[in-house]
Amino acid sequence: DARVTQTPRHKVTEMGQEVTMRCQPILGHNTVFWYRQTMMQGLELLAYFRNRAPLDDSGMPKDRFSAEMPDATLATLKIQPSEPRDSAVYFCASGLVGPGNTIYFGEGSWLTVV
Amino acid sequence: GEDVEQSLFLSVREGDSSVINCTYTDSSSTYLYWYKQEPGAGLQLLTYIFSNMDMKQDQRLTVLLNKKDKHLSLRIADTQTGDSAIYFCAEGSNTGKLIFGQGTTLQVKP
Repeated sequence: DARVTQTPRHKVTEMGQEVTMRCQPILGHNTVFWYRQTMMQGLELLAYFRNRAPLDDSGMPKDRFSAEMPDATLATLKIQPSEPRDSAVYFCASGLVGPGNTIYFGEGSWLTVV
Repeated sequence: GEDVEQSLFLSVREGDSSVINCTYTDSSSTYLYWYKQEPGAGLQLLTYIFSNMDMKQDQRLTVLLNKKDKHLSLRIADTQTGDSAIYFCAEGSNTGKLIFGQGTTLQVKP
């Protein structure tokens, strides 16, 4: 049963620390997304990649966030330094762009910055 | 710009029908989606509709699309307590990017 896998599932860290979240997209999917979910803002698109190339990262604070796809099986989202306002659930999603554009979500990385 | 709006909360009794509404702004949207999120979980794709369709039915789910008014609805027949969740409407284009609404919390009372 193919699924998007995210690690860590839960992370509590101190302000100022570096946080790295990892995502393994579904094999064969050519598009990978990073979304952030908070009570106040809902689901925000941070960045997305097509065939490992960044297409749009305009939703991401550039000074502290970075997103990469070192290879087709791994996407990373890094926050350095982390701040309490970064506390949220970070979702990775992958899809195969085409008719239907079906996108599948991982279970999320629940981040708390204290 | 792209924007998707949903009402925040809906409460129904078990066995009744639920109707969750959504409006969107991007007339170039190719597909419109409904996702379900249960507590502590990710978003699960429920169904989607191509923008040139008016209706799509899948078991207890019926999606209606009024393209002129940019209005999308999800009807759940015979709502069960297991349907309690947050339901997200999303619009998508050929680029693959999805823009989500803020989600509608569905509460099903026994």
